[in-house]
Amino acid sequence: ETGVTQSPTHLIKTRGQQVTLRCSSQSGHNTVSWYQQALGQGPQFIFQYYREEENGRGNFPPRFSGLQFPNYSSELNVNALELDDSALYLCASSPAAAAGVDTQYFGPGTRLTVL
Amino acid sequence: GENVEQHPSTLSVQEGDSAVIKCTYSDSASNYFPWYKQELGKRPQLIIDIRSNVGEKKDQRIAVTLNKTAKHFSLHITETQPEDSAVYFCAARPLLTGGGNKLTFGTGTQLKVEL
Repeated sequence: ETGVTQSPTHLIKTRGQQVTLRCSSQSGHNTVSWYQQALGQGPQFIFQYYREEENGRGNFPPRFSGLQFPNYSSELNVNALELDDSALYLCASSPAAAAGVDTQYFGPGTRLTVL
Repeated sequence: GENVEQHPSTLSVQEGDSAVIKCTYSDSASNYFPWYKQELGKRPQLIIDIRSNVGEKKDQRIAVTLNKTAKHFSLHITETQPEDSAVYFCAARPLLTGGGNKLTFGTGTQLKVEL
């Protein structure tokens, strides 16, 4: 198992609400990426944080936002939840946002259900 | 952007047989190709990866081959065992050009190893 942890494990929200998901990166890793995995699909890249700044973003609307803290842990915030936001949210940490030291290790994920 | 196609979507083999999963990618700038195994309800786990300066890599019963000219790469599992049953995802990552460490995933292959 990797040293990447996520909380909470499961979450149920209603449409229009806001949610915050948390991720602690593996020791020695300063880069965190977030992915959304819908049922039966591969993970889709949301964004990445490196040294507390967003460093790349996928095709997700601005209501998906994030933070990275000085200890390299990270949060994913989703505003105005929609039914289609129901998915497994995965974070992955890697040693550095640089070619050659980029292997990503995934956390266990947060299962979000929007009713 | 990068597009990764993965085949087959399901694969059933007898224990002891070999399994091959194939992926193609669209962005010729991609230079890193990991494979992840995801068991039901668990995190994706990196099983092997290959970089564009290498044509083949082996790790015990698992091997990955890369054909940069044809833009395809394959996962080979020999002497399959029931514990190999899982969903396998291929992924590709282009050169880091400000897009961070974004992995683009295939749609997954459900491998079932039957006794």
